Amino acid sequence: DIQMTQSPASLSASLEEIVTITCQASQDIGNWLAWYQQKPGKSPQLLIYGATSLADGVPSRFSGSRSGTQYSLKISRLQVEDIGIYYCQQASSAPLTFGSGTKLEIK
Amino acid sequence: QIQLVQSGPELKKPGESVKISCKASGYTFTDYAMHWVKQAPGKGLKWMGWINTYTGKPTYADDFKGRFVFSLEASASTANLQISNLKNEDTATYFCAKEDNNYDWFAYWGQGTLVTVSS
Repeated sequence: DIQMTQSPASLSASLEEIVTITCQASQDIGNWLAWYQQKPGKSPQLLIYGATSLADGVPSRFSGSRSGTQYSLKISRLQVEDIGIYYCQQASSAPLTFGSGTKLEIK
Repeated sequence: QIQLVQSGPELKKPGESVKISCKASGYTFTDYAMHWVKQAPGKGLKWMGWINTYTGKPTYADDFKGRFVFSLEASASTANLQISNLKNEDTATYFCAKEDNNYDWFAYWGQGTLVTVSS
């Protein structure tokens, strides 16, 4: 199985700050990676797919990048509505696997 | 617009069974696979497997082989998850999620169904 090591586990940042969350894949997954945001009591929302493509309706302050087997989600100017838990997910091969999540709070 | 609407919360005793439904609308049901994802209370997301909505063939992740069954009511655009011989560790929210144009990431999710297993 492909392991997705996500960091940090939690993050507290100020409004308008730049925030970066990373996922390290245990093997090559190409661009088969997605990022989700989940708010309490809600379903996950797709933010980024194909490692770098912005999902429909997602603000442009979110962006994804890849360097080898390391993937990053960047929020360029943190807003209040960005609080929640963020997950990466590899879609390269079954079983599909998620990172352990990053809880993002406002400082 | 595409919607996935799941059945309501369930409270069950250990050893009982439960069936969760996921009704799809806004697209051709048999064109896209349906996946199932488990989220235990306060925990992360765990992929359970998927069902081919055209052929009805299910595929299960290793941890979900045996007591878990994916099925369809294709005429009703509905996917089902049945869990038998429930255990306390099955307490979780279960989500259905539609594959995204033949890619295994998910732009559309059901609202989740909380299954609580308690004696």
